[in-house]
Amino acid sequence: GAGVSQSPSNKVTEKGKDVELRCDPISGHTALYWYRQSLGQGLEFLIYFQGNSAPDKSGLPSDRFSAERTGGSVSTLTIQRTQQEDSAVYLCASRLSGTAGYEQYFGPGTRLTVT
Amino acid sequence: QKEVEQNSGPLSVPEGAIASLNCTYSDRGSQSFFWYRQYSGKSPELIMFIYSNGDKEDGRFTAQLNKASQYVSLLIRDSQPSDSATYLCAGRVFGNEKLTFGTGTRLTIIP
Repeated sequence: GAGVSQSPSNKVTEKGKDVELRCDPISGHTALYWYRQSLGQGLEFLIYFQGNSAPDKSGLPSDRFSAERTGGSVSTLTIQRTQQEDSAVYLCASRLSGTAGYEQYFGPGTRLTVT
Repeated sequence: QKEVEQNSGPLSVPEGAIASLNCTYSDRGSQSFFWYRQYSGKSPELIMFIYSNGDKEDGRFTAQLNKASQYVSLLIRDSQPSDSATYLCAGRVFGNEKLTFGTGTRLTIIP
């Protein structure tokens, strides 16, 4: 079946502009996660959505970052007033609830470059 | 101290040999562990997960978990050039949804 999809695949933006990154999880997966991976670094958790529950925003690095999930499916990560340190690959993952292993499946990512 | 630590490598292994990748973790509340493979420029791909002490085998891959020593390992038997990638170890703490990742070990299989 179809995996997690993300758009755009690449985004170049000027410092100070706002950007929106989109994630479409695997059909039927109720849990959705955003991570970011900076060059040479491990994956850093940003935010987690589960059904209609309040999201876990504990990983968001600043109030310039926000995310929403509409209709329990598609999610949008918004970065306001982008800075050069925001340059990274932003990865979305989804999970089928009820699985014993809590395994997450990743999308292809959006490479964000802030100039 | 990072919560999940891996040797960054690179680790070079001859084709056909066993590749051994190791990971240690600091949080004793960690409950389950995941190994992801990431090819250059691609997203992480789940290989295996393990949450019980001992070994778990899946084809050429074996994950090992030792909670008393707080380490996780991944063995790749009969290594192939296509196994050349960065391997990410991740842990999940009980009651927490997020995964905490190590920085990955770069593995190169030498033909």
